[in-house]
Amino acid sequence: GAVVSQHPSWVICKSGTSVKIECRSLDFQATTMFWYRQFPKQSLMLMATSNEGSKATYEQGVEKDKFLINHASLTLSTLTVTSAHPEDSSFYICSALRLAGGTQETQYFGPGTRLLVL
Amino acid sequence: SQQGEEDPQALSIQEGENATMNCSYKTSINNLQWYRQNSGRGLVHLILIRSNEREKHSGRLRVTLDTSKKSSSLLITASRAADTASYFCARPRGSQGNLIFGKGTKLSVKP
Repeated sequence: GAVVSQHPSWVICKSGTSVKIECRSLDFQATTMFWYRQFPKQSLMLMATSNEGSKATYEQGVEKDKFLINHASLTLSTLTVTSAHPEDSSFYICSALRLAGGTQETQYFGPGTRLLVL
Repeated sequence: SQQGEEDPQALSIQEGENATMNCSYKTSINNLQWYRQNSGRGLVHLILIRSNEREKHSGRLRVTLDTSKKSSSLLITASRAADTASYFCARPRGSQGNLIFGKGTKLSVKP
């Protein structure tokens, strides 16, 4: 099956610092990746859609200058949380879209990155 | 905004029993997907059911879809303690394939 990895799996940082999270599709190419955020005991909320070679599309209410997304290759998307604050502490999950059978698409999710901002 | 509601929000059963989770949505869909999330982990894709399908099976999983009622159900038969997890339904939004997730059902299977 398709594998998506995230790095790091968890990170603790001081308020005001920036944190970069990587999302890689290991055995397939993904022109589209998604970034989600999940607060405790809640569902996943889509933050942005990352397209290889173009600017990311952000959901309403998500600050693009705070959450920088770079999709520089077909297997890697990065999310940088700039000037992190305690309220940014959350579980960040990426997914990669894999084309199968022409039209059917399945998202494969990474294991998530837990961010704690002190 | 998030659309899709699951019920129940939490479900506790004994090992061997069946677990049924329901999902409702508000707009028309091309397909509906079910995912499992173990505590603090990423999501595992369980099953995708297309809008022209009414029922789909995968192992101990059975998913139904009623487009007239805009609802779907996930049935896990002969549950095991390892099935303990949160289960989410999700529907695609737009042409880019991003998903809108329901609030999820937290399933606890007691040995």
